Amino acid sequence: AQSVTQLDSQVPVFEEAPVELRCNYSSSVSVYLFWYVQYPNQGLQLLLKYLSGSTLVKGINGFEAEFNKSQTSFHLRKPSVHISDTAEYFCAVSDASGTYKYIFGTGTRLKVLA
Amino acid sequence: SAVISQKPSRDICQRGTSLTIQCQVDSQVTMMFWYRQQPGQSLTLIATANQGSEATYESGFVIDKFPISRPNLTFSTLTVSNMSPEDSSIYLCSVETGSLRRTEAFFGQGTRLTVV
Repeated sequence: AQSVTQLDSQVPVFEEAPVELRCNYSSSVSVYLFWYVQYPNQGLQLLLKYLSGSTLVKGINGFEAEFNKSQTSFHLRKPSVHISDTAEYFCAVSDASGTYKYIFGTGTRLKVLA
Repeated sequence: SAVISQKPSRDICQRGTSLTIQCQVDSQVTMMFWYRQQPGQSLTLIATANQGSEATYESGFVIDKFPISRPNLTFSTLTVSNMSPEDSSIYLCSVETGSLRRTEAFFGQGTRLTVV
């Protein structure tokens, strides 16, 4: 079974500052990893995904994440945030061996301050 | 990609009643999923709906409480039956597309349900 841990429930950051949202996972099998963003009163939108290959993954809106197998982490980063990045961010894992389930973390609320 | 429309977007319901949520996809998909997002919490998978077969429910969810229909490859409904305030949540429909399974899950905008 897989699990996902997002240790930071809320992250306040000033506009134009860098941000890192942390995600750790546990799994006994190979996994696919995802970051989703949820803006207020909206559904989830995929930011980026890691399936295989390069461990540095670039996504939409200037976000990137690095897959670290030894540390079982998939932290999300952005070098300069905007007010419009204020949202809830979810890390998710899905095993690569044949099932279809996504396991989501509890989410991190990013609040960008002016 | 896939565009998913969910109806209604929100509703306020009396306890003891039922609400049916519709999910329409703009392309044919094999598997559709229903999630629940309780206030301040993450997403929890309720069930998987495949066309032509009964839905598969996750632990803690039963068909009598959350009956699901999947009449074709682009449509599904989730009913929340005999509602109580504990059912107040956002319910999301999701599909997966891509030649490689699980390359990306797409989500509807969700149905925000409040039970009073």
